[in-house]
Amino acid sequence: EPEVTQTPSHQVTQMGQEVILRCVPISNHLYFYWYRQILGQKVEFLVSFYNNEISEKSEIFDDQFSVERPDGSNFTLKIRSTKLEDSAMYFCASSEGDTQYFGPGTRLTVL
Amino acid sequence: GENVEQHPSTLSVQEGDSAVIKCTYSDSASNYFPWYKQELGKGPQLIIDIRSNVGEKKDQRIAVTLNKTAKHFSLHITETQPEDSAVYFCAADNYGQNFVFGPGTRLSVLP
Repeated sequence: EPEVTQTPSHQVTQMGQEVILRCVPISNHLYFYWYRQILGQKVEFLVSFYNNEISEKSEIFDDQFSVERPDGSNFTLKIRSTKLEDSAMYFCASSEGDTQYFGPGTRLTVL
Repeated sequence: GENVEQHPSTLSVQEGDSAVIKCTYSDSASNYFPWYKQELGKGPQLIIDIRSNVGEKKDQRIAVTLNKTAKHFSLHITETQPEDSAVYFCAADNYGQNFVFGPGTRLSVLP
């Protein structure tokens, strides 16, 4: 069964550094998403991406964040100048309609 | 925008009993309501979903009911098993662009 994959599973970085989280969506899906989940809290929407552009973003997704689909398979989330409060699980999801399938997540720890 | 509330926050049942988790949403424009199961350290896994043109949907031991007038939907798990222990999230679509998640219910099935 096709699934969304994410790398790395765990990323540790120093405050102020830049990180890139990578995702490989399900191959025939056209809609891509990033969500985050701070420890013990609910999953929060960050951004959706369709046809090589952002289709919607939340108020969390400020200028510190960017997304890119650099090739036909990868979908990346870049976080610049990381802050302690960016520590969270980051989930990628993809869909071909309204059903979204989530990856296993990347745990980002900012020290 | 959409707001989703979920109750209870924790639920303990004896193995073999039924479990019911309830969610309410605020935006009558929402049309799609998925339920996700999240095990420790993993990403949300879709277990069942329902669209607004349907009042009930069942898949083996899992069922979901939707009352659009009252803007609430519920997850029913029958004959619970220890492997059903996890955090369950309900969600509602937000103008079809992304999901708004409830805060989650931690279900414990006691052997």
